[in-house]
Amino acid sequence: AQSVTQPDIHITVSEGASLELRCNYSYGATPYLFWYVQSPGQGLQLLLKYFSGDTLVQGIKGFEAEFKRSQSSFNLRKPSVHWSDAAEYFCAVGASVIYNQGGKLIFGQGTELSVKP
Amino acid sequence: DAMVIQNPRYQVTQFGKPVTLSCSQTLNHNVMYWYQQKSSQAPKLLFHYYDKDFNNEADTPDNFQSRRPNTSFCFLDIRSPGLGDAAMYLCATSRDKETQYFGPGTRLLVL
Repeated sequence: AQSVTQPDIHITVSEGASLELRCNYSYGATPYLFWYVQSPGQGLQLLLKYFSGDTLVQGIKGFEAEFKRSQSSFNLRKPSVHWSDAAEYFCAVGASVIYNQGGKLIFGQGTELSVKP
Repeated sequence: DAMVIQNPRYQVTQFGKPVTLSCSQTLNHNVMYWYQQKSSQAPKLLFHYYDKDFNNEADTPDNFQSRRPNTSFCFLDIRSPGLGDAAMYLCATSRDKETQYFGPGTRLLVL
């Protein structure tokens, strides 16, 4: 069965420090990969996505992610965190076969990011 | 700006009293989704419309229904809300099976 694992439930970083949020997926074929961010009481905002091509993708707000097929990972990175980045981050997989049949996203459990001043 | 709009943002209902949540979009996307997100959990897909075709997830309770009268609007009906249905309900849209764009959500409280 398809699954997404975000090993870190909660991460705290200092403002200005670098950030890496981990995401591992389980799926046999090439997945569609997404990172979304959710502020408290809000909907999900798309940060970036990977469908094919260059495995290093750039997103909004200075975020980037790298697809590593050999490790089944799609980790999110940011070189310098801002206080406004504090939020919940979700990695999601649109498993390609299922996705083409209806667009079901499988989400990880989320990583809550806190930023220390 | 093109967007996904959900109304109301907060909804309070009584145990067993039917409630309807609304979603509209100006993106002209042909696919619309409803997700349920409980506190500190990931969103869970309830169902989606691909054009006019309704697709229900196997584990979505019968208490949850949906209507899509036209391309722009989609409704979530909860026929007899229970305390366990208190959650954030997220609407999303996509063009075919590509990137999903989410609305701000409706937080439902059941008293």
